[in-house]
Amino acid sequence: KAGVTQTPRYLIKTRGQQVTLSCSPISGHRSVSWYQQTPGQGLQFLFEYFSETQRNKGNFPGRFSGRQFSNSRSEMNVSTLELGDSALYLCASSRDRDRVEKLFFGSGTQLSVL
Amino acid sequence: GDSVTQMEGPVTLSEEAFLTINCTYTATGYPSLFWYVQYPGEGLQLLLKATKADDKGSNKGFEATYRKETTSFHLEKGSVQVSDSAVYFCALRDGYNKLIFGAGTRLAVHP
Repeated sequence: KAGVTQTPRYLIKTRGQQVTLSCSPISGHRSVSWYQQTPGQGLQFLFEYFSETQRNKGNFPGRFSGRQFSNSRSEMNVSTLELGDSALYLCASSRDRDRVEKLFFGSGTQLSVL
Repeated sequence: GDSVTQMEGPVTLSEEAFLTINCTYTATGYPSLFWYVQYPGEGLQLLLKATKADDKGSNKGFEATYRKETTSFHLEKGSVQVSDSAVYFCALRDGYNKLIFGAGTRLAVHP
């Protein structure tokens, strides 16, 4: 069974640009969550999608957005990139919403903003 | 709001040494508690969990006991191996069903 797949693995952008990250959950999983990991802030929750609807949102500015498609794949978009957006972005999936202990994480997309 | 505090790393140990990584939490009620591990270049993996007070989670020789009196969930292992070198995250599930993580503790085990 394939795990959570995140693409691309590495990304380099410049300030002011926008970026889209992709996450394919494990087959059969309908809930997708996104986390930002930085050395200074650790892991912080961005948002959760279930059945194509955002169900939960962390404390991030509106430049961070996401969506989920009918096949449960999810994308995350960051507009007007800032240097502080450099981070490892992790996606996690679970079969249902209330199964946080059954979250499976991808290896992440490492975003560097220059 | 809810929060998790972990001891700062890095923690450097020799193989077969005893490991303790401290974790304390602040939360309303009695949240489920977790330890995740992140090996180099990989995502997080659930290591163990406990869902109520006095529960002991265990996996791969690691243990942690949910202590509501001290609001703690310290991770222990009796004899670490080089392959245990990784970053360890303590986390809780908040009332909105999302995970709140500690800052992570890097463990380096030397032969």
